[in-house]
Amino acid sequence: GQQLNQSPQSMFIQEGEDVSMNCTSSSIFNTWLWYKQDPGEGPVLLIALYKAGELTSNGRLTAQFGITRKDSFLNISASIPSDVGIYFCAGSTKTSGSRLTFGEGTQLTVNP
Amino acid sequence: DVKVTQSSRYLVKRTGEKVFLECVQDMDHENMFWYRQDPGLGLRLIYFSYDVKMKEKGDIPEGYSVSREKKERFSLILESASTNQTSMYLCASSSRTDTQYFGPGTRLTVL
Repeated sequence: GQQLNQSPQSMFIQEGEDVSMNCTSSSIFNTWLWYKQDPGEGPVLLIALYKAGELTSNGRLTAQFGITRKDSFLNISASIPSDVGIYFCAGSTKTSGSRLTFGEGTQLTVNP
Repeated sequence: DVKVTQSSRYLVKRTGEKVFLECVQDMDHENMFWYRQDPGLGLRLIYFSYDVKMKEKGDIPEGYSVSREKKERFSLILESASTNQTSMYLCASSSRTDTQYFGPGTRLTVL
C-alpha cells in the first residue's frame, strides 16, 4: 500500500525561527493535507491542497503540493511557543477512495 | 465550521465490558471514520462508513464493530473490552473532497 515518509521526526527550535517539514511518497497523490495535533486533542486541519503545484497559506503557515504529486511541504514562519505540537501530513490517491494515508508526524518543540 | 463531537473525552472501563463510543458530525458528510492512535504506531483505521448502514473494515477491525443508523452519527463498539484496547480513539468525517475533520478524541482506559 501507499506509504508517506515524513521528516524530520522531531525538531527543536528557538522562538522566531522558521520551520520546514515535508512528506514524500512513491505513489501519486490527489490530495495533500496538513494537520496539527496538540497533546490529548484530535488533529486539526491546517491546510488542504488539491492541485499539483498549489501553494496555499494560512497565516504564518504555507504548504505546497509538489509538481510530481509525490511530495508536499509545510513551512512555519517566525515560530511562537503555541506552535508546539505534532504535525501530520496525509494524502489520498486515485485508488484509496475516501481513505487517507498518514505520515508518522513531526514533533515540534519551540523554546521561548 | 465543521464540527465533529465525541461523546466522552475520557472513559475508564473494565475488561469484558461492552463499550460504546459515539461520534456526531454536523456537516452532512457522507463518510465517517474511526481511528485509534497509539505512541509509535500513528493513526490506524479501524472502520469507516461511506453511507448510512454501510461499513467497511479498516486496517485493524478485530475486536470492534460499528453502527451507522443515521448519517450524522457513527458508533464504535467494543463488544468485550480488553486491556490492549486502551488507546486514544479518534472519529473523523469527510465529504467527497477527502478532507477529513477530526473530533477531539476519547481517551479510553481498560483496566
